[in-house]
Amino acid sequence: EIVLTQSPATLSLSPGEGATLSCRASQSVSNYLAWYQQKPGQAPRLLIYDASNRATGIPARFSGSGSGTDFTLTISSLEPEDFAVYYCQHRINWPLTFGGGTKVEIK
Amino acid sequence: QLQLQESGPGLVKPSETLSLTCTVSGDSISNTIYYWGWIRQPPGKGLEWIGDIYYSGSTYYKPSLKSRVTISGDTSKNQFSLRLTSVTAADTAVYYCARHPFSGWYVNWGQGTLVTVSS
Repeated sequence: EIVLTQSPATLSLSPGEGATLSCRASQSVSNYLAWYQQKPGQAPRLLIYDASNRATGIPARFSGSGSGTDFTLTISSLEPEDFAVYYCQHRINWPLTFGGGTKVEIK
Repeated sequence: QLQLQESGPGLVKPSETLSLTCTVSGDSISNTIYYWGWIRQPPGKGLEWIGDIYYSGSTYYKPSLKSRVTISGDTSKNQFSLRLTSVTAADTAVYYCARHPFSGWYVNWGQGTLVTVSS
């Protein structure tokens, strides 16, 4: 089972600042990695798929990069609605796994 | 418009079996393009993938849950189900059903249902 480790666990930032979130895989997942955003009481929403592609309707301030074992989600300038928890997930093989999440909170 | 709706008991006693159903509207679980899955989230914690089912009946499970989990489909009702046996408090979670394409990602999710394991 591939383990996805996200860091940091919490990111305290102000609106307008940039955010950089990391996801590291215990073995290569090629580019088969996605990022999800989850707000309290809601189901996760797909943001980025195949490491660097924005899902439908996702603003351009969200970008993803990386391949192999190291991946990054970047939010160029935080909007109030971006404060949430972010998860990475791989799909290179079964079992699928999610990372532990990074909470982006208002400083 | 695709909708997934989880249903089932909100309270299950320890050692008993948790059973949930996901009712799908707007698509058929026999659609060969998609996998249908279950993901859970303990209160205040992260997402945990439980398993997927394909239209053919093929199933894929999280190894640590495999001995207790069964995912099955009912094409006549356009539903798929989760069965988790011998539950403990650690199985308390919001359970989501979701769909992902053959080579894709979980785009469509249910709203989630909280299941509490307690006597």
